[in-house]
Amino acid sequence: DIQLTQSPSFVSASVGDRVTISCQASQDVRNWLAWYQQKPGKAPNLLIYAASTLESGVPSRFSGSGSGTDFSLTISSLQPEDFATYYCQQANDLPHTFGGGTKVEIK
Amino acid sequence: QLQLQESGPGLVKPAETLSLTCSVSGGSLSSPSHYWAWIRQPPGKGLEWIGFIYYTGTTYYSPSLGSRVTISVDTSKNQFSVRLTSVTAADTALYFCARFSKWELGGRSALDLWGRGTMVAVSP
Repeated sequence: DIQLTQSPSFVSASVGDRVTISCQASQDVRNWLAWYQQKPGKAPNLLIYAASTLESGVPSRFSGSGSGTDFSLTISSLQPEDFATYYCQQANDLPHTFGGGTKVEIK
Repeated sequence: QLQLQESGPGLVKPAETLSLTCSVSGGSLSSPSHYWAWIRQPPGKGLEWIGFIYYTGTTYYSPSLGSRVTISVDTSKNQFSVRLTSVTAADTALYFCARFSKWELGGRSALDLWGRGTMVAVSP
């Protein structure tokens, strides 16, 4: 299985901050990486697919980059509704594994 | 607008079989563009991909669950299901069904639509 390692696992930030989350794959996943946002008790919501393509309806302050084994999700100016847990997932190889998650909390 | 809804028992005894169904409404499950997936999340933990199925019945499972897991599809009812045998407390989780759209048919190669999830506890 391809392992996805997210870092950091926890971020404490303020409204307006720029936040970057990393996702490192144990093998090349080309650009088949997605990012999801999950709020407590809710289903995850797709933010970014194919490493850098913004899902329809997702604010432009979210952006994704990377290819191969190293990826990142950036929130350019953190908003109150962005405090949540973020997961990466690879779809290059089965099983489609998830990263361990990064929780973004209010400082 | 297509929606997914999980259903099934909220409590299962150890060593028994967990069975959940995902009902697809507002669209057809028999789409060549999509796979239909199950994902779970133990309390306070991360997401675990269980597997998915194509409308033809082709399945892919996570090796971590081995032969305990089976995903099936009923196109006449527009539903797909997951069965997990010999459950233990470690199978206690919030179970989600979701849609995976295929890149080669204009999709996202990602889980672009999710059900709300259903909590299953394994307890005597």
